[in-house]
Amino acid sequence: AQSVTQLDSHVSVSEGTPVLLRCNYSSSYSPSLFWYVQHPNKGLQLLLKYTSAATLVKGINGFEAEFKKSETSFHLTKPSAHMSDAAEYFCVVSDASNTGKLIFGQGTTLQVKP
Amino acid sequence: DVKVTQSSRYLVKRTGEKVFLECVQDMDHENMFWYRQDPGLGLRLIYFSYDVKMKEKGDIPEGYSVSREKKERFSLILESASTNQTSMYLCASNLRVYSNQPQHFGDGTRLSIL
Repeated sequence: AQSVTQLDSHVSVSEGTPVLLRCNYSSSYSPSLFWYVQHPNKGLQLLLKYTSAATLVKGINGFEAEFKKSETSFHLTKPSAHMSDAAEYFCVVSDASNTGKLIFGQGTTLQVKP
Repeated sequence: DVKVTQSSRYLVKRTGEKVFLECVQDMDHENMFWYRQDPGLGLRLIYFSYDVKMKEKGDIPEGYSVSREKKERFSLILESASTNQTSMYLCASNLRVYSNQPQHFGDGTRLSIL
């Protein structure tokens, strides 16, 4: 069965410093992986997706993630945090049923301090 | 551009009322999903539909039903609202054909049951 673990429920960084949000997954097949962002009182917006092409995936707003099969990880990074990056981030894996269902991590709240 | 529209951003209802939450997508997607989101619990799938008049239970279907009479519209129904159904409700859609398709989300409906 597929599962996703976001290793930190809360991450705090200073503006201009790097961001690292950690995600490990468990899957019995080669999954698709996604990162979504959710700003307060809004829906989820897709940041990036991995679908078995390049292992380093670039997304919107300067975010990127690296798929590491040997470590079953898909960590999200950004070189320099901006105040507008403060939000909740979800790591997501595709369901093995091939129906389009997704499995969501519990979320990581990113705080950016001035 | 992709668009998922939820009919209400905020809704207040009373215990025992029948509540309808509406969702419309304009992308001709086969799949549509209803989630609820609660602090500390992440996103939990209530129901999903993979075609008109077709539906499948998600992880927490109790107390809910759904209707999909047209491809673009997916309704969530609380048959007799209870206070423990106070939550943020999110609708999403994606293509069914390929399992690596991301889901596109609406802005959510924050429902309060008094």
